[in-house]
Amino acid sequence: DGGITQSPKYLFRKEGQNVTLSCEQNLNHDAMYWYRQDPGQGLRLIYYSQIVNDFQKGDIAEGYSVSREKKESFPLTVTSAQKNPTAFYLCASSTFLAGDTQYFGPGTRLTVL
Amino acid sequence: SQKIEQNSEALNIQEGKTATLTCNYTNYSPAYLQWYRQDPGRGPVFLLLIRENEKEKRKERLKVTFDTTLKQSLFHITASQPADSATYLCALEGDNNAGNMLTFGGGTRLMVKP
Repeated sequence: DGGITQSPKYLFRKEGQNVTLSCEQNLNHDAMYWYRQDPGQGLRLIYYSQIVNDFQKGDIAEGYSVSREKKESFPLTVTSAQKNPTAFYLCASSTFLAGDTQYFGPGTRLTVL
Repeated sequence: SQKIEQNSEALNIQEGKTATLTCNYTNYSPAYLQWYRQDPGRGPVFLLLIRENEKEKRKERLKVTFDTTLKQSLFHITASQPADSATYLCALEGDNNAGNMLTFGGGTRLMVKP
């Protein structure tokens, strides 16, 4: 059963802590993406990766870090430098061919206590 | 600056009517425009894609139009049902030579009342 998974679904963090959000896909997609969504807002791109061991900053990369050591995995770390991390985080993957669609995971809701 | 605008106010319609959602953009030359559906607390799901040289695309009860002169796409749901209630996002791909990179609008929430 192909798809993209994210864990955990809900995450609570104390101020000053780093947390890592997991994203795994078995669609054999080269490209993976992390978005942030705030209530009533659209998706804003944090980081993306077109190939293993390479990734690029999106529009709001400050306070976040990623790695892409395996094609299937693209974890996102929310660092203590991120001033307002409470949000809904979405991971997506695609073939990175023009005109292809992005497939999204179910999301992780991060709350800072 | 580049901007994608969708009506931030919720659209409330009666079951059986046609829902029409709007996506306007400025300072873009998109090669493709996509529409996604998002249910509360879930990831978006792809619905339709339309290319810059296409005027209209249909899929079952869904229809998308794309007017590159007006810089606007319209998304129609005919014979709407309460199950169509969700937030609908438009996304543009295109003029940044970065493959499948998408820029999303803020979404419009659709409420279909029985």
